[in-house]
Amino acid sequence: AQSVTQLGSHVSVSEGALVLLRCNYSSSVPPYLFWYVQYPNQGLQLLLKYTTGATLVKGINGFEAEFKKSETSFHLTKPSAHMSDAAEYFCAVSGAGGTSYGKLTFGQGTILTVHP
Amino acid sequence: DAGVIQSPRHEVTEMGQEVTLRCKPISGHNSLFWYRQTMMRGLELLIYFNNNVPIDDSGMPEDRFSAKMPNASFSTLKIQPSEPRDSAVYFCASSFGGGAYGYTFGSGTRLTVV
Repeated sequence: AQSVTQLGSHVSVSEGALVLLRCNYSSSVPPYLFWYVQYPNQGLQLLLKYTTGATLVKGINGFEAEFKKSETSFHLTKPSAHMSDAAEYFCAVSGAGGTSYGKLTFGQGTILTVHP
Repeated sequence: DAGVIQSPRHEVTEMGQEVTLRCKPISGHNSLFWYRQTMMRGLELLIYFNNNVPIDDSGMPEDRFSAKMPNASFSTLKIQPSEPRDSAVYFCASSFGGGAYGYTFGSGTRLTVV
């Protein structure tokens, strides 16, 4: 079984401030981890993913995330927020094997608001 | 590649009518997923296929929902009869290699049942 918990359904930051969106996962097998972004009335766009190898992964638009197995976390960060980052962000997990192999499960999402 | 293609983009139908949503995955992808997104329940996995075979349909709400994948390039999600509570955005996604290379989503179908 696998699950994702995103801490905070809404996060508000000022333009230029650090963005930190929290994600914890549960998986009985080595996980593949993903962050997706969804702008209003649009589909989901992949920001970044972790499968194997380096635990700090960099994505598009200046975002990065670090896989911490001991903490079962995959938090998303960006050093300096931009107005265009305002969107809903989803953390997701799939299993690298077992019964969860290939099955992508999402967290509930975090709405990021960026103030001028 | 044109990405994952869903049709129609918008569908408005009356309660009790049959609705069919369509999806064309990325060529070469061997897994296909149907998700439903609502404000109340977020993104829910309805069903997924691997090599055209349904692997997990535990998320399908009830017997009114059915999905097929007759070949590697086409899938349908059918609701019969439709109800107002089925109103949502339905996304199709495809992947290769169990998701190791990511999942690509279509633009979605916004279904409104009146």
